[in-house]
Amino acid sequence: EAAVTQSPRSKVAVTGGKVTLSCHQTNNHDYMYWYRQDTGHGLRLIHYSYVADSTEKGDIPDGYKASRPSQENFSLILELASLSQTAVYFCASTGGMGQNTLYFGAGTRLSVL
Amino acid sequence: GDSVTQKEGLVTLTEGLPVMLNCTYQTIYSNAFLFWYVHYLNESPRLLLKSSTDNKRTEHQGFHATLHKSSSSFHLQKSSAQLSDSALYYCALASSSFSKLVFGQGTSLSVVP
Repeated sequence: EAAVTQSPRSKVAVTGGKVTLSCHQTNNHDYMYWYRQDTGHGLRLIHYSYVADSTEKGDIPDGYKASRPSQENFSLILELASLSQTAVYFCASTGGMGQNTLYFGAGTRLSVL
Repeated sequence: GDSVTQKEGLVTLTEGLPVMLNCTYQTIYSNAFLFWYVHYLNESPRLLLKSSTDNKRTEHQGFHATLHKSSSSFHLQKSSAQLSDSALYYCALASSSFSKLVFGQGTSLSVVP
Protein backbone atom coordinates (compact mmCIF):
# COMPACT_ATOMS: atom_id res chain seq x y z
CA GLU A 1 0.00 0.00 0.00
CA ALA A 2 1.32 3.41 -1.01
CA ALA A 3 2.27 5.60 1.94
CA VAL A 4 2.40 9.37 2.16
CA THR A 5 2.98 10.87 5.59
CA GLN A 6 2.42 14.52 6.41
CA SER A 7 3.56 16.45 9.45
CA PRO A 8 2.31 18.17 11.42
CA ARG A 9 -1.32 17.06 11.23
CA SER A 10 -2.47 20.42 12.49
CA LYS A 11 -0.82 23.73 13.20
CA VAL A 12 -1.73 27.15 14.50
CA ALA A 13 0.49 29.93 13.20
CA VAL A 14 0.63 33.67 13.71
CA THR A 15 0.27 36.12 10.88
CA GLY A 16 3.69 36.96 9.48
CA GLY A 17 5.31 33.87 10.89
CA LYS A 18 7.09 31.14 8.96
CA VAL A 19 5.42 27.76 8.52
CA THR A 20 6.89 24.58 7.10
CA LEU A 21 4.74 21.61 6.19
CA SER A 22 6.51 18.34 5.56
CA CYS A 23 5.69 15.34 3.43
CA HIS A 24 7.40 11.97 3.20
CA GLN A 25 6.56 9.16 0.79
CA THR A 26 7.73 5.58 0.66
CA ASN A 27 6.22 4.80 -2.74
CA ASN A 28 9.39 5.39 -4.74
CA HIS A 29 7.36 7.88 -6.77
CA ASP A 30 9.00 10.57 -8.84
CA TYR A 31 6.14 13.07 -8.66
CA MET A 32 5.03 14.86 -5.53
CA TYR A 33 2.39 17.55 -5.17
CA TRP A 34 1.07 20.04 -2.67
CA TYR A 35 -2.63 20.85 -2.82
CA ARG A 36 -4.77 23.23 -0.86
CA GLN A 37 -8.36 22.32 0.00
CA ASP A 38 -10.97 25.02 0.49
CA THR A 39 -14.73 24.67 0.54
CA GLY A 40 -16.09 25.70 -2.83
CA HIS A 41 -12.72 25.56 -4.53
CA GLY A 42 -11.89 21.90 -4.30
CA LEU A 43 -8.25 20.86 -4.49
CA ARG A 44 -5.94 23.42 -6.00
CA LEU A 45 -2.33 22.72 -6.93
CA ILE A 46 0.28 24.91 -5.24
CA HIS A 47 3.61 23.37 -6.22
CA TYR A 48 4.82 20.07 -7.57
CA SER A 49 8.07 18.28 -8.29
CA TYR A 50 9.11 15.44 -10.58
CA VAL A 51 12.72 15.12 -9.48
CA ALA A 52 14.79 15.87 -6.40
CA ASP A 53 16.20 19.39 -6.10
CA SER A 54 13.66 20.78 -8.54
CA THR A 55 10.17 22.21 -8.03
CA GLU A 56 7.54 23.65 -10.32
CA LYS A 57 4.79 26.19 -9.75
CA GLY A 58 1.26 24.96 -9.78
CA ASP A 59 -1.90 26.97 -10.23
CA ILE A 60 -1.78 29.02 -7.01
CA PRO A 61 1.92 29.37 -6.03
CA ASP A 62 1.83 32.94 -4.68
CA GLY A 63 2.86 33.11 -1.04
CA TYR A 64 4.28 29.58 -1.03
CA LYS A 65 7.66 28.03 -1.67
CA ALA A 66 8.51 24.36 -2.04
CA SER A 67 11.57 22.24 -1.46
CA ARG A 68 12.38 18.71 -2.68
CA PRO A 69 15.68 17.70 -1.06
CA SER A 70 15.25 14.02 -1.91
CA GLN A 71 12.89 11.76 -3.81
CA GLU A 72 11.09 10.90 -0.57
CA ASN A 73 10.65 14.38 0.92
CA PHE A 74 8.75 17.43 -0.23
CA SER A 75 8.13 20.50 1.92
CA LEU A 76 5.80 23.46 1.58
CA ILE A 77 7.03 26.71 3.08
CA LEU A 78 5.00 29.77 3.98
CA GLU A 79 7.59 32.47 4.61
CA LEU A 80 5.08 35.06 5.83
CA ALA A 81 1.87 33.32 6.78
CA SER A 82 -1.35 35.23 6.15
CA LEU A 83 -4.94 34.77 7.25
CA SER A 84 -5.91 33.77 3.72
CA GLN A 85 -3.64 30.74 3.94
CA THR A 86 -5.82 29.10 6.55
CA ALA A 87 -6.82 25.83 4.87
CA VAL A 88 -6.22 22.10 4.78
CA TYR A 89 -3.11 21.11 2.85
CA PHE A 90 -2.63 17.76 1.17
CA CYS A 91 0.53 16.20 -0.14
CA ALA A 92 0.32 13.54 -2.82
CA SER A 93 2.63 11.37 -4.85
CA THR A 94 2.35 9.51 -8.12
CA GLY A 95 4.55 7.56 -10.46
CA GLY A 96 3.84 9.85 -13.40
CA MET A 97 1.41 12.33 -14.80
CA GLY A 98 -1.77 11.84 -16.78
CA GLN A 99 -3.59 8.64 -15.94
CA ASN A 100 -1.49 7.77 -12.89
CA THR A 101 -3.24 7.48 -9.54
CA LEU A 102 -2.54 10.11 -6.90
CA TYR A 103 -1.78 8.82 -3.39
CA PHE A 104 -2.61 11.40 -0.77
CA GLY A 105 -1.42 12.03 2.74
CA ALA A 106 -3.84 12.58 5.60
CA GLY A 107 -3.66 16.35 5.36
CA THR A 108 -2.45 19.22 7.54
CA ARG A 109 -5.01 21.61 8.97
CA LEU A 110 -3.38 25.05 9.17
CA SER A 111 -4.96 27.93 11.03
CA VAL A 112 -3.31 31.32 10.72
CA LEU A 113 -4.38 33.78 13.42
CA GLY B 1 -7.42 25.81 -20.35
CA ASP B 2 -8.75 22.58 -18.97
CA SER B 3 -11.55 22.75 -16.42
CA VAL B 4 -13.92 20.54 -14.46
CA THR B 5 -17.33 21.59 -13.20
CA GLN B 6 -19.25 19.97 -10.37
CA LYS B 7 -22.36 22.07 -10.08
CA GLU B 8 -23.66 20.63 -6.83
CA GLY B 9 -21.74 21.68 -3.77
CA LEU B 10 -23.91 19.68 -1.40
CA VAL B 11 -26.19 16.74 -2.09
CA THR B 12 -28.35 15.34 0.70
CA LEU B 13 -30.02 11.98 0.10
CA THR B 14 -32.12 9.55 2.05
CA GLU B 15 -30.56 6.14 2.51
CA GLY B 16 -31.62 3.72 -0.21
CA LEU B 17 -32.20 6.32 -2.89
CA PRO B 18 -30.03 6.44 -6.03
CA VAL B 19 -26.97 8.64 -6.17
CA MET B 20 -25.97 10.79 -9.10
CA LEU B 21 -23.19 13.34 -8.83
CA ASN B 22 -22.64 15.45 -11.89
CA CYS B 23 -19.31 16.15 -13.55
CA THR B 24 -18.66 17.94 -16.80
CA TYR B 25 -15.32 18.96 -18.22
CA GLN B 26 -13.67 21.08 -20.86
CA THR B 27 -10.52 20.24 -22.78
CA ILE B 28 -9.36 20.52 -26.33
CA TYR B 29 -7.65 17.14 -26.17
CA SER B 30 -9.42 13.99 -27.32
CA ASN B 31 -7.63 11.42 -25.12
CA ALA B 32 -8.53 12.75 -21.70
CA PHE B 33 -8.53 10.72 -18.48
CA LEU B 34 -11.36 11.30 -16.01
CA PHE B 35 -11.28 10.37 -12.36
CA TRP B 36 -13.46 10.32 -9.28
CA TYR B 37 -11.67 10.71 -5.96
CA VAL B 38 -13.47 10.26 -2.64
CA HIS B 39 -12.52 11.90 0.65
CA TYR B 40 -14.05 10.40 3.77
CA LEU B 41 -13.86 12.42 6.97
CA ASN B 42 -10.57 11.91 8.81
CA GLU B 43 -9.10 9.88 5.97
CA SER B 44 -6.92 10.65 2.97
CA PRO B 45 -8.56 11.30 -0.39
CA ARG B 46 -8.30 8.22 -2.59
CA LEU B 47 -9.13 7.13 -6.09
CA LEU B 48 -12.61 5.72 -6.54
CA LEU B 49 -12.58 5.08 -10.27
CA LYS B 50 -11.15 6.35 -13.54
CA SER B 51 -11.71 6.06 -17.26
CA SER B 52 -10.42 7.18 -20.60
CA THR B 53 -12.64 5.02 -22.82
CA ASP B 54 -15.63 6.64 -24.43
CA ASN B 55 -19.03 5.13 -23.59
CA LYS B 56 -17.58 2.39 -21.38
CA ARG B 57 -19.03 1.89 -17.89
CA THR B 58 -16.44 1.76 -15.11
CA GLU B 59 -17.38 0.30 -11.73
CA HIS B 60 -15.82 0.13 -8.28
CA GLN B 61 -17.20 -0.40 -4.79
CA GLY B 62 -20.80 -0.15 -5.96
CA PHE B 63 -20.26 3.12 -7.81
CA HIS B 64 -20.14 3.46 -11.56
CA ALA B 65 -19.49 6.13 -14.14
CA THR B 66 -19.46 6.30 -17.93
CA LEU B 67 -17.30 8.71 -19.85
CA HIS B 68 -19.32 10.41 -22.57
CA LYS B 69 -16.99 12.44 -24.75
CA SER B 70 -19.86 13.74 -26.88
CA SER B 71 -21.29 15.57 -23.88
CA SER B 72 -18.00 15.94 -21.94
CA SER B 73 -19.50 14.27 -18.92
CA PHE B 74 -18.45 11.71 -16.33
CA HIS B 75 -21.28 11.48 -13.80
CA LEU B 76 -20.91 9.26 -10.74
CA GLN B 77 -23.81 6.97 -9.92
CA LYS B 78 -24.85 4.37 -7.40
CA SER B 79 -28.13 2.51 -7.32
CA SER B 80 -28.73 2.76 -3.59
CA ALA B 81 -27.09 5.22 -1.21
CA GLN B 82 -25.68 4.00 2.10
CA LEU B 83 -24.93 6.04 5.20
CA SER B 84 -21.26 5.16 4.74
CA ASP B 85 -21.22 6.88 1.34
CA SER B 86 -21.28 10.27 3.06
CA ALA B 87 -18.08 11.96 1.91
CA LEU B 88 -16.60 14.62 -0.34
CA TYR B 89 -16.35 13.54 -3.98
CA TYR B 90 -14.00 15.13 -6.48
CA CYS B 91 -14.12 14.77 -10.22
CA ALA B 92 -10.77 15.33 -11.92
CA LEU B 93 -9.37 15.57 -15.43
CA ALA B 94 -5.98 14.83 -16.97
CA SER B 95 -6.17 15.99 -20.54
CA SER B 96 -3.24 13.85 -21.68
CA SER B 97 -0.59 11.42 -20.45
CA PHE B 98 1.63 14.37 -19.66
CA SER B 99 -0.89 16.58 -17.89
CA LYS B 100 -1.41 17.45 -14.28
CA LEU B 101 -4.78 16.70 -12.74
CA VAL B 102 -7.38 19.43 -12.68
CA PHE B 103 -9.97 18.99 -9.94
CA GLY B 104 -13.54 20.13 -9.78
CA GLN B 105 -14.91 22.05 -6.81
CA GLY B 106 -16.06 18.90 -5.07
CA THR B 107 -19.51 17.66 -4.09
CA SER B 108 -20.27 16.86 -0.49
CA LEU B 109 -22.65 13.90 -0.28
CA SER B 110 -24.64 13.52 2.91
CA VAL B 111 -26.72 10.36 3.24
CA VAL B 112 -29.32 10.48 6.02
CA PRO B 113 -31.53 7.75 7.51
